[in-house]
Amino acid sequence: RKEVEQDPGPFNVPEGATVAFNCTYSNSASQSFFWYRQDCRKEPKLLMSVYSSGNEDGRFTAQLNRASQYISLLIRDSKLSDSATYLCVVNIRPMNYGGSQGNLIFGKGTKLSVKP
Amino acid sequence: DTGVSQDPRHKITKRGQNVTFRCDPISEHNRLYWYRQTLGQGPEFLTYFQNEAQLEKSRLLSDRFSAERPKGSFSTLEIQRTEQGDSAMYLCASSLGLASYEQYFGPGTRLTVT
Repeated sequence: RKEVEQDPGPFNVPEGATVAFNCTYSNSASQSFFWYRQDCRKEPKLLMSVYSSGNEDGRFTAQLNRASQYISLLIRDSKLSDSATYLCVVNIRPMNYGGSQGNLIFGKGTKLSVKP
Repeated sequence: DTGVSQDPRHKITKRGQNVTFRCDPISEHNRLYWYRQTLGQGPEFLTYFQNEAQLEKSRLLSDRFSAERPKGSFSTLEIQRTEQGDSAMYLCASSLGLASYEQYFGPGTRLTVT
């Protein structure tokens, strides 16, 4: 089982639609969670961190369910400019490095295409 | 521009040659990461530094790969005796450390091994 799994899509939606992406992770030691956005042939860019209480940033809402090891991203009123690949990302803190950060584990990404 | 920078942006090399990439992190960030990304996949972790110390290396980092961060600022990633399977985008990221787990990526170096 892959450490971070996402539906690869593509999700093809009309402008204004609401779209939801789901992600599951396998390592219960995962400590931090993120959604990154990656445009074609560009670097990943941090979209938002995901907190246990859920968090919202404008049209974007992220949820975390630690018991189910499940993360979601909801995009409301989608825009043409939202077309990109959305990467679900978890951070697993290495047990032997105390408070140090460790690396990010990325899912393969879910491709979103918003059409006029 | 105060973001992460990488050089070169593109590199084409013949199999068997050595290549070196450079990454300059955001100036106040003490953690620096290298990732590799191939088509259709998410980035895969290679190694990371806290200041000049290399704290973790992935099993993906074979003995042909070496990374340094001699003064705790910029970093280099060298691949010796390149193979066609090394063709990928090599991404560098940096983070502030302490309580911040958010990593910021550079534009990447796209390597093509012919």
